[in-house]
Amino acid sequence: QQKVQQSPESLIVPEGGMASLNCTSSDRNVDYFWWYRQHSGKSPKMLMSIFSNGEKEEGRFTVHLNKASLHTSLHIRDSQPSDSALYLCAASMDTNTGKLTFGDGTVLTVKP
Amino acid sequence: EAAVTQSPRNKVTVTGGNVTLSCRQTNSHNYMYWYRQDTGHGLRLIHYSYGAGNLQIGDVPDGYKATRTTQEDFFLLLELASPSQTSLYFCASSRSSQDTQYFGPGTRLLVL
Repeated sequence: QQKVQQSPESLIVPEGGMASLNCTSSDRNVDYFWWYRQHSGKSPKMLMSIFSNGEKEEGRFTVHLNKASLHTSLHIRDSQPSDSALYLCAASMDTNTGKLTFGDGTVLTVKP
Repeated sequence: EAAVTQSPRNKVTVTGGNVTLSCRQTNSHNYMYWYRQDTGHGLRLIHYSYGAGNLQIGDVPDGYKATRTTQEDFFLLLELASPSQTSLYFCASSRSSQDTQYFGPGTRLLVL
């Protein structure tokens, strides 16, 4: 069973709209959640990380975490065409090793 | 930003062939990782290392060996390549187990 599940698989939002991406772990040992963004033909780059319950905001990006339900979400407001990319959620279940378990990703397309 | 380089960027080999993928980081990072990325999957961890001479098994290690010769250099070896190993391979490094992983540009491998 996939330990990190992301939804939806793909998402289309209009320019200026809000994009909401979800991620859930089935392993209760998760310590951190990470969000990476991968533009087409490029390597993944870390966007945000969160390990405490609650919310974290950086510019147009907000991450929520509910540790009880092992669920995190990424929200992008005022979406831009340059935000079109594959968004990967990763869970760290052992902070001694640095091992990350990635979900399959959400493909976001922002239509001008 | 942290610098991770990979070589070659593209490689074609035949079934049963011998392939070595190279990764170098100049960030003085302790942790290095090898991932593969396939369509429909996120990133899957093959092997990782805490430092020179250290090797740890990841989640999909079958058919792969790795060597960490120095703090900077991490190699992935496919001694009897199979078509199922056709994939996009990423190397990453991080300062510690709880820090951001920085990815190289990737190596696209085709096994005929």
